[in-house]
Amino acid sequence: NAGVMQNPRHLVRRRGQEARLRCSPMKGHSHVYWYRQLPEEGLKFMVYLQKENIIDESGMPKERFSAEFPKEGPSILRIQQVVRGDSAAYFCASSPRSMNTEAFFGQGTRLTVV
Amino acid sequence: AQSVSQHNHHVILSEAASLELGCNYSYGGTVNLFWYVQYPGQHLQLLLKYFSGDPLVKGIKGFEAEFIKSKFSFNLRKPSVQWSDTAEYFCAVYSGGSYIPTFGRGTSLIVHP
Repeated sequence: NAGVMQNPRHLVRRRGQEARLRCSPMKGHSHVYWYRQLPEEGLKFMVYLQKENIIDESGMPKERFSAEFPKEGPSILRIQQVVRGDSAAYFCASSPRSMNTEAFFGQGTRLTVV
Repeated sequence: AQSVSQHNHHVILSEAASLELGCNYSYGGTVNLFWYVQYPGQHLQLLLKYFSGDPLVKGIKGFEAEFIKSKFSFNLRKPSVQWSDTAEYFCAVYSGGSYIPTFGRGTSLIVHP
């Protein structure tokens, strides 16, 4: 029973490049959350998706960031034209339903922008 | 909007000491509460959760938490910590039908052998 799978685990990008972070939810889970973790700041909600739909993206910067969760395949968090301030750990979590249930986390992708 | 406060950002204890980590939330209605643990370099794992019923919740690895509605609190406790409890601990809250769990800032616990 595979858990939430995120890849890559570590990603290094130069300023201005694009970063693509992938998340495969647990089997049977159709709800995906993306969080960003910065030192001393904890987990900040970015976006909540269900299959083919963005439900809430209130925590995601309006520019350069986008997310999708297609009918087939993993959820993708895309960061265009990365800047040093994008360096962080990005965690994906999935759940079987939308409310009041445990979220299962992946191991995260640590993005470093050089 | 819901907010979750973890007042202890860094805690350092010796093995066998007792632990209590604070968690307070702002929403006054129905809430579901969680504590997660993140060991160094790893993903978040669920320690325990409260949905309803007995406000004293037992979790894994000897942890427990008490939901005190009047204080908007859900503090995490362990009577005797071990070196292996060194980790980051996060409190999370679902509130009022929200579909997004809100996390506290986290508490870094270091246990000295």
